[in-house]
Amino acid sequence: DTGVSQDPRHKITKRGQNVTFRCDPISEHNRLYWYRQTLGQGPEFLTYFQNEAQLEKSRLLSDRFSAERPKGSFSTLEIQRTEQGDSAMYLCASSGTGVPNTEAFFGQGTRLTVV
Amino acid sequence: AQTVTQSQPEMSVQEAETVTLSCTYDTSESDYYLFWYKQPPSRQMILVIRQEAYKQQNATENRFSVNFQKAAKSFSLKISDSQLGDAAMYFCAYRRGNTGKLIFGQGTTLQVKP
Repeated sequence: DTGVSQDPRHKITKRGQNVTFRCDPISEHNRLYWYRQTLGQGPEFLTYFQNEAQLEKSRLLSDRFSAERPKGSFSTLEIQRTEQGDSAMYLCASSGTGVPNTEAFFGQGTRLTVV
Repeated sequence: AQTVTQSQPEMSVQEAETVTLSCTYDTSESDYYLFWYKQPPSRQMILVIRQEAYKQQNATENRFSVNFQKAAKSFSLKISDSQLGDAAMYFCAYRRGNTGKLIFGQGTTLQVKP
């Protein structure tokens, strides 16, 4: 296992288009998180899953955003009708649930540019 | 709501010297964890060090150590014998108990001068 994997690494899209990102967590991790990071800022929490259940969603996650983790393995984050304000780095992280396995390991992120 | 504040947007240090990055947080919880993460340019975020709130002893990982002042809600990171590879953005982060969700500060960009 090489760690948390995100695809694509970069995405340029026109305003109004839909985009979907994928995250593959570390295989034994049952928790998966999505964060958004704008340039020069710290990551902001969007949502997280434990197995296939979405346990928490930030109010940052508007109706245009939806995340799924259908089989408790990989996850997708979809943004509908993209806006320029959606341009950011989208980070995925995973962790286990038993101490000391609760450390979050991050992927390299998907950089979204909306033009 | 919990908040994390890093008041130093940028810091610089001479190679082999020591630098301290500051972080303060606000919470009413008693069970929480604090972390320092490093994010090199265009590379993924990696964990540097963690501190459990219930532990009085400051965490240490090789050249990295923290000064955890629970009453003051302060959590600073000291990097000793700074190396060029330490240049990165450093984020302080808070986690309530075992929830897994991290709350990050704004980050401090560390420059290491040869």
